[in-house]
Amino acid sequence: EIVMTQSPATLSVSPEERATLSCRASQSISTYLAWYQQKPGQAPRLLIYGASTRATGLPARFSGSGSGTEFTLIISRLQSEDLALYYCQQYKSWPPTFGGGTQVEIK
Amino acid sequence: EVQVIESGGDLVQPGGSLRLSCAASGFIFSSHGMNWVRQAPGQGLEWVSYISGDSNFIQYADSVKGRFTISRDNAENSLYLQMNSLRGEDTAVYYCARTPTPNVVGWVWLDPWGQGTLVTVSS
Repeated sequence: EIVMTQSPATLSVSPEERATLSCRASQSISTYLAWYQQKPGQAPRLLIYGASTRATGLPARFSGSGSGTEFTLIISRLQSEDLALYYCQQYKSWPPTFGGGTQVEIK
Repeated sequence: EVQVIESGGDLVQPGGSLRLSCAASGFIFSSHGMNWVRQAPGQGLEWVSYISGDSNFIQYADSVKGRFTISRDNAENSLYLQMNSLRGEDTAVYYCARTPTPNVVGWVWLDPWGQGTLVTVSS
């Protein structure tokens, strides 16, 4: 099973500042990586797939990059509505696995 | 609008059984693989099971293999999860989620997700 590790566990960022979230895979997954946002009491929402392709309707301030074992999600100008847990997920092999999440807080 | 809605969550005793349902709408259900993912209280996400559009390819997480059965009824646009021999560690919100790529067998990313249904296993 591929282990996904996210860092940091909690990220506190001021509004309009840049938030950088990291995700590392225990082995190479090429670009078979997705990112999700989960707000309190809600289901996860797809943000990014293929490591860098934005989901339909996603604001351009969200961007994903990386390949192999190292991946990054950047929120370029943090908004108050971006307060959420963010998960990465690999789909290179079964079982698809999620990282432990990064909680983004508004400073 | 593409939508999936789960139902069937409940409080059940250890060793008991429960059947979850997921009603899909807004897309050609038979063309898409479907999935169950769970989230224990305050915890992360765990992929539970996948079923292809024609039900010919099914996968389970090791933690539920032999106890859970995924199935679907394409005529009714519905997905199911039969859960037997339930344990305390099965307590979680269970999400139904679509594999968004049509006519592709295998797991990818998930979109959309339902709101989830809570399963509590406790005496």
